[in-house]
Amino acid sequence: DAKTTQPPSMDCAEGRAANLPCNHSTISGNEYVYWYRQIHSQGPQYIIHGLKNNETNEMASLIITEDRKSSTLILPHATLRDTAVYYCIVRVEGTGKLIFGQGTTLQVKP
Amino acid sequence: DAGITQSPRYKITETGRQVTLMCHQTWSHSYMFWYRQDLGHGLRLIYYSAAADITDKGEVPDGYVVSRSKTENFPLTLESATRSQTSVYFCASRLSLGEAFFGQGTRLTVV
Repeated sequence: DAKTTQPPSMDCAEGRAANLPCNHSTISGNEYVYWYRQIHSQGPQYIIHGLKNNETNEMASLIITEDRKSSTLILPHATLRDTAVYYCIVRVEGTGKLIFGQGTTLQVKP
Repeated sequence: DAGITQSPRYKITETGRQVTLMCHQTWSHSYMFWYRQDLGHGLRLIYYSAAADITDKGEVPDGYVVSRSKTENFPLTLESATRSQTSVYFCASRLSLGEAFFGQGTRLTVV
């Protein structure tokens, strides 16, 4: 299974872009990168996913390096409500299961 | 209501008792999952299911039993609850690709 490595915590000023890195150096060719977040003690919430190309939706952008060994989740204009734990996950090929790591705790500060 | 629901939301049980946590989804998603989250930690996969009558172990399956006789339901049973199983349990469902949807969680305390 591909593993992910994320910094344990990050701070971001409100209104600024939050850039959350993730390393997944053992990812294989057809494994997707998923990002979820968990606000306080709620159930995790899907943000975005991608395979090779950069992706953007109403919540965030996902930038995947050409060699696919790392990616960055970008929240373009962070708000206080974006304070959460962000999880980068590589979907295990052929099984559909999602294995969560420790995630990055993002603190958005006024 | 459409969505994924867990019941009960809160449960206190005694050591050694059997307890079942329920999970129901209305989308006919093929995959369903059970995770536990201990205080201050990330989510760990207990069991998952790719379809009705197909289940597989996750990272921490010991002490738990699952079944999936119907696509929409995926109950999790603690056969003999222990204090170490005190945790918040999350159920999730998804299609084969794309986003997973999580329930609100069941907070289980074993005393």
